[in-house]
Amino acid sequence: GENVEQHPSTLSVQEGDSAVIKCTYSDSASNYFPWYKQELGKRPQLIIDIRSNVGEKKDQRIAVTLNKTAKHFSLHITETQPEDSAVYFCAASLTAWYGQNFVFGPGTRLSVLP
Amino acid sequence: EPEVTQTPSHQVTQMGQEVILRCVPISNHLYFYWYRQILGQKVEFLVSFYNNEISEKSEIFDDQFSVERPDGSNFTLKIRSTKLEDSAMYFCASSETVLDPSSGNTIYFGEGSWLTVV
Repeated sequence: GENVEQHPSTLSVQEGDSAVIKCTYSDSASNYFPWYKQELGKRPQLIIDIRSNVGEKKDQRIAVTLNKTAKHFSLHITETQPEDSAVYFCAASLTAWYGQNFVFGPGTRLSVLP
Repeated sequence: EPEVTQTPSHQVTQMGQEVILRCVPISNHLYFYWYRQILGQKVEFLVSFYNNEISEKSEIFDDQFSVERPDGSNFTLKIRSTKLEDSAMYFCASSETVLDPSSGNTIYFGEGSWLTVV
């Protein structure tokens, strides 16, 4: 089955700096890669996603890149702000007629220091 | 914006008791999921449900667990004879019809039901 690894497990950056979180996946058939932000005690919230037919996607300060050959994808946050502090999870999923089975990475705790 | 809603938000139960967690998926969604997150750990897949039956389940989802869609709106997770290690946040999620198998669809999570087994 799919296995998703995520690095680093914790990341501290100064406000205004960039943050990069990397994930690798094992199943080459996976075709959808979302990133979720989770604040303490709350639900995971989708912040950006990318599909396997796209190499890069950007939404304001957030971007995601996908390298299908190497089976890794990365989240880039520029101009970080204290409210970006949270746990970030990547996930990989394979879409089938019966739905999707998301496999999540172990998470990265991002701290943005003012 | 439509949301997945879950009840209860928090439940404390005695070990060995049965628990039912309830979810109302987004109304036009056809795929439903339960995930679990033990405190401080990653989100883990339990089960997916489509067309009134389980379509996939993980090794966590053993005979202790069951899911049901008793009516047109609710989707429930039942845990029989709860154990201490069942203490976790349980998230319900839903997604739209998969129109194109070559692409994926976003799944939307509910706020979660925090289960504490004592």
